[in-house]
Formats: sequence, structure tokens, C-alpha cells
Amino acid sequence: DQQVKQNSPSLSVQEGRISILNCDYTNSMFDYFLWYKKYPAEGPTFLISISSIKDKNEDGRFTVFLNKSAKHLSLHIVPSQPGDSAVYFCAARRSGTYKYIFGTGTRLKVLA
Amino acid sequence: EPEVTQTPSHQVTQMGQEVILRCVPISNHLYFYWYRQILGQKVEFLVSFYNNEISEKSEIFDDQFSVERPDGSNFTLKIRSTKLEDSAMYFCASSSRTGNTEAFFGQGTRLTVV
Repeated sequence: DQQVKQNSPSLSVQEGRISILNCDYTNSMFDYFLWYKKYPAEGPTFLISISSIKDKNEDGRFTVFLNKSAKHLSLHIVPSQPGDSAVYFCAARRSGTYKYIFGTGTRLKVLA
Repeated sequence: EPEVTQTPSHQVTQMGQEVILRCVPISNHLYFYWYRQILGQKVEFLVSFYNNEISEKSEIFDDQFSVERPDGSNFTLKIRSTKLEDSAMYFCASSSRTGNTEAFFGQGTRLTVV
């Protein structure tokens, strides 16, 4: 059941540069999308979300873009910092349901 | 900052034994969830709970699993007869409402079935 896909298992970026993490989904009924960050041996930490009625949401260094026609969302981190090194999961939810469906994650490494 | 807490952090159990994983959700939250992550795989939804009953569950959440909110603060996941394939990180989460809102996750319980 690969409704949410993160095709890049890993990404390395220089400190100060932009990190772009991508996520694709197949279910057009999804109407709410989230990004979580996860460090080893910890639970996912909420970063930012976007409703399907928007195409962009910004919070500090983090911006999420949603392209509904392409069923694609991305997370931009600018500028990237070494502390951003973690696994990033996108998640999606369909209206009327309670569950979040997670992607497989992208491991981001920010190099000092 | 309020947080979801889970105990124990690591549980080792023999195959066939019952385990109870415990969670204290954020105090004013009304919606509670269990997710799990098998090593190297994605985070998977197990069950959601609202108003003292299951609101949604996945195919994984079969008769071996049950959830309970025994008092005003705890939320538990019970696995009646553990199997080797139940070994995973189990995450509890809670949210203040349904609709467009995020869930806050605990740090997880690592369950190892031997």
C-alpha cells in the first residue's frame, strides 16, 4: 500500500544551503499533509503541515509546497543547519479518517 | 512544553506472552493513536481512539491487539499473545481534535519478541 512515497532514501546538503525533500502521493482524497522529523530512538516530531486548499505554508526556515495536480509535496529548509540532520517523513490524511499514512522517510545529512 | 510519554522505553518478551504498552497522552487531548515502525520500514497506523472507543483501526490491528483508557490519563496497547513479527517500535500519539491538526508522538517503546 504505497499511497505515500518518498523516493529519495537519503540526501546530503552543505550547511547554509537549501534542502529539498520530496514526497509523492497517489490518493486524490488526501486533504491534509504533514512533515515530521525523527531522530534515532525518538518519536516523530511535527514540523509543518498544509491543507489541500493551500499550495504553500511557511514557518521560519521550513516551507512546504503542495502541487495537487502532480500529487506532489516538498519541504524546503533554508538555510540548512547540522542540527537538521534526521529522517524526514511526509504523511497524509484523508478527510473523514483518523489515520495518517506515512512515507518511508528521507535521511537528511547536513554537512558542516 | 506538554508531551506524550511512553513506558517502558524497551520491553523484551517471550513469544506467546502478553505485553501492555503504556502511554500518557497530552492532558487536554481527546484523540489517541498507536502507530508502529518495524525496523527499516515506514511508520504504520494501528488504531485511533476517541470517546472511549475505537474510531478506526488498520488490518494489522487484529484480535490479538486491544486498547484501553483505564483512567483519565493513561492509554494502553495490549498484545495478547506476542509473535516474533510484533517486534517493532510502538509509538503513541495524541491530538486535540480531528480535522486539520497534527498528532504529537511519544518517544516510543521498543518491543523485542524473542
